[in-house]
Amino acid sequence: DAGITQSPRHKVTETGTPVTLRCHQTENHRYMYWYRQDPGHGLRLIHYSYGVKDTDKGEVSDGYSVSRSKTEDFLLTLESATSSQTSVYFCAISDTNTGELFFGEGSRLTVL
Amino acid sequence: SQKIEQNSEALNIQEGKTATLTCNYTNYSPAYLQWYRQDPGRGPVFLLLIRENEKEKRKERLKVTFDTTLKQSLFHITASQPADSATYLCALDKGYSSASKIIFGSGTRLSIRP
Repeated sequence: DAGITQSPRHKVTETGTPVTLRCHQTENHRYMYWYRQDPGHGLRLIHYSYGVKDTDKGEVSDGYSVSRSKTEDFLLTLESATSSQTSVYFCAISDTNTGELFFGEGSRLTVL
Repeated sequence: SQKIEQNSEALNIQEGKTATLTCNYTNYSPAYLQWYRQDPGRGPVFLLLIRENEKEKRKERLKVTFDTTLKQSLFHITASQPADSATYLCALDKGYSSASKIIFGSGTRLSIRP
């Protein structure tokens, strides 16, 4: 168990509302990532962080923002949710020695 | 553009047989190739990593090959069991300290029937 928890695990919201997903790690890893997973697309990187207050964009960052004020927490925010953001969101941390990614259990978001 | 393809969306085989999954890629020069297992409603779990200078890697009933000339990796599960039923993802990695350049295939859903 890699010590990653995501919250909430399920959320239904309406178009135009803000949504924040939280990822918490107990492993003290430097790198943290947010992915979304959609049928036929695999996992796509939204944003990642390489340290406290250090973040960068991934492949599909439009409409998303992130923040990392503490090593253990990485927040993903949808400022104004759209139906195209209905997806399963995964947080991950990486072991820089092995390149292995450890994933959380996922957060299923439905935007109506 | 970079592209990674897993041979089929779904694969059904008889228990006890060897399951072979394929991962092909274009326009990418990976230093590593990784395989993950994902069960329904769960996050992916790392299985194996193979480096570009390694031809083959084994772990228990799992075997991975990596051919950088063909731009292909094969993932084998020998003596397959119903418990091996899951979706398997391949991922290409350039080997940077950050995993930000890793790209994932969309997965192959493997079903092992008793």
